[in-house]
Amino acid sequence: GAGVSQSPSNKVTEKGKDVELRCDPISGHTALYWYRQSLGQGLEFLIYFQGNSAPDKSGLPSDRFSAERTGGSVSTLTIQRTQQEDSAVYLCASSLTGTGGEQYFGPGTRLTVT
Amino acid sequence: AQSVSQHNHHVILSEAASLELGCNYSYGGTVNLFWYVQYPGQHLQLLLKYFSGDPLVKGIKGFEAEFIKSKFSFNLRKPSVQWSDTAEYFCAARGSSNTGKLIFGQGTTLQVKP
Repeated sequence: GAGVSQSPSNKVTEKGKDVELRCDPISGHTALYWYRQSLGQGLEFLIYFQGNSAPDKSGLPSDRFSAERTGGSVSTLTIQRTQQEDSAVYLCASSLTGTGGEQYFGPGTRLTVT
Repeated sequence: AQSVSQHNHHVILSEAASLELGCNYSYGGTVNLFWYVQYPGQHLQLLLKYFSGDPLVKGIKGFEAEFIKSKFSFNLRKPSVQWSDTAEYFCAARGSSNTGKLIFGQGTTLQVKP
């Protein structure tokens, strides 16, 4: 069956522009997570969705970052007014249930801010 | 604060050598522990996990890990590595009562020489 998919796979943007990153979780998975992988910071949690609601947004680094999930499926992570320090690989994961399920990761979106 | 630390950042071994990668965690309460692997150009995938019960857990591809509560450790082992084990390895922890978000260690790059 299909795994977690993310698009685009690579994104280069100029500083100050807005970007949208998309995640398609595994069908039927109710929980969805966004993480960021960057040099020096490792893998960091950003936000967790259970269905369409986000009970844990504690990892979002600033108010320039937001995310939504619609129909309990696709999620979009939006970064406004991108900065160079936003350059990283953004990973999405989904799990069948929220607290106890195994998380399956997508291939990531590599974001480069020039 | 919740944290996970991996002691070895870069390990180089010859084929057939034994492997042990260290992982320590700092968590209050019950914790679930994981090892993930990222092969070059591939997604993060789960190697093994510990929730409760037998502290020695076996995963895929001959890997195992031992949970030692008194040492707050969850070291990964493999008796005989192969060139195909070249990858980056991440230890991760999750509080059993939280939203399911994973806290990752910094990762260990393993290079196996043929």
